[in-house]
Formats: sequence, C-alpha cells, structure tokens
Amino acid sequence: NAGVTQTPKFQVLKTGQSMTLQCAQDMNHNSMYWYRQDPGMGLRLIYYSASEGTTDKGEVPNGYNVSRLNKREFSLRLESAAPSQTSVYFCASTQRVNTEAFFGQGTRLTVV
Amino acid sequence: ILNVEQSPQSLHVQEGDSTNFTCSFPSSNFYALHWYRWETAKSPEALFVMTLNGDEKKKGRISATLNTKEGYSYLYIKGSQPEDSATYLCASMDSNYQLIWGAGTKLIIKP
Repeated sequence: NAGVTQTPKFQVLKTGQSMTLQCAQDMNHNSMYWYRQDPGMGLRLIYYSASEGTTDKGEVPNGYNVSRLNKREFSLRLESAAPSQTSVYFCASTQRVNTEAFFGQGTRLTVV
Repeated sequence: ILNVEQSPQSLHVQEGDSTNFTCSFPSSNFYALHWYRWETAKSPEALFVMTLNGDEKKKGRISATLNTKEGYSYLYIKGSQPEDSATYLCASMDSNYQLIWGAGTKLIIKP
C-alpha cells in the first residue's frame, strides 16, 4: 500500500532557483494538503485542494503555487526560492473533512 | 485562525509510568479534534479523530477524551514503553474544515 508518495525526500536549492515538490495518493481521497513544519511550530497549511480542480490558500501561501493535476496528484511549486522557505514540507490527504489525514514522508528543503 | 496549544512542550517519563498531556483549542465553531503520533524521521500517523463532547477513544494503552464546551482534549498513555517515544500532535478542525495544528508534545520514555 503506497498511501501518499512525496518526492523528493531532500533538496538543496540556491536562492532564486525554482522547484516543484510532487505528491500523489492512491487512496482515492478528495482532499489534499501541503504543509510546512518549522522548529517549535505546528504544521502550517500552505495550500489545500478540497477536490479535483479546486485549490485554496492556507495560512502561509506567499511564495508558493500549487496544481491539482488530477484526483491523485497535488504539486507544490516554489518559483523563486528564498532562505525563509527552508523547512520540512509534508503533503497529506483525507477522504472526507472529518476523517484522519494521511501524510507523505516529507521533503527536507534547504535554501542557501 | 484558531489557536491550538499543547502542553507540556516536552515530557520525560520513566518506563512503566502512566502519563497524560493536554490540547487546548477554541470551542467556538468546533468541528473535530485529531490526535497524531509522529516518530522521528517518519510521517505523522493518526491516533484518533473525535467530534462529540464527551467522546472517549482508546487504542491499546493510549486513550483520549474530548471536552468541546471548555475546549480541551487529554491524551493518556498507560504503562509507557520505549516505543511510545514520539511527538504527539493535536489539530482542531473548525466549521471551515481546516485543520489547525498545535506545536506538539515531545514524549521521551526513559528505560
């Protein structure tokens, strides 16, 4: 059972470079999320997609864009990386709003 | 934006002892409360999702209670084992269906 697959696991970028974090789930979940996790803080929502074809901003969307390519895939793009975007990024999905979230393995991103 | 607070921030417990910690959340517009267990270098995994005031859920030695009127949930671990060492996250969902996460309680079990 793959669950939520997130790539890459690690990435180092130079300031100003761009990259896309990929996320795919095979559980037929409707909702997908991108979070960032910083030391001493809870998971903070960057963007979410309640269903295929829709995306909405979360708490910290600045500097990011997303695409819900289809029901399975939800990607996060950094157009011009900044050191403040150094963080651990998690993708998650849920079947319905009041059910548990399933998480990917996380991406540790360092921007130098 | 809701404010979810967890206490304590970290906790050292002797193996075999029982322990508990708290998640506080705004009680207005409450929809659901989630608990997750997060081991180092792994992804968070769900323990419980609770929605009703007075809910109690149990999974093995771990249980949780929910008070939506006063805005708190307790997580209990009975007879702590080394494998219980992890960060325990709670998240509150409001009527907009967004999960707002606490910063977690880091539990360390001393053998």
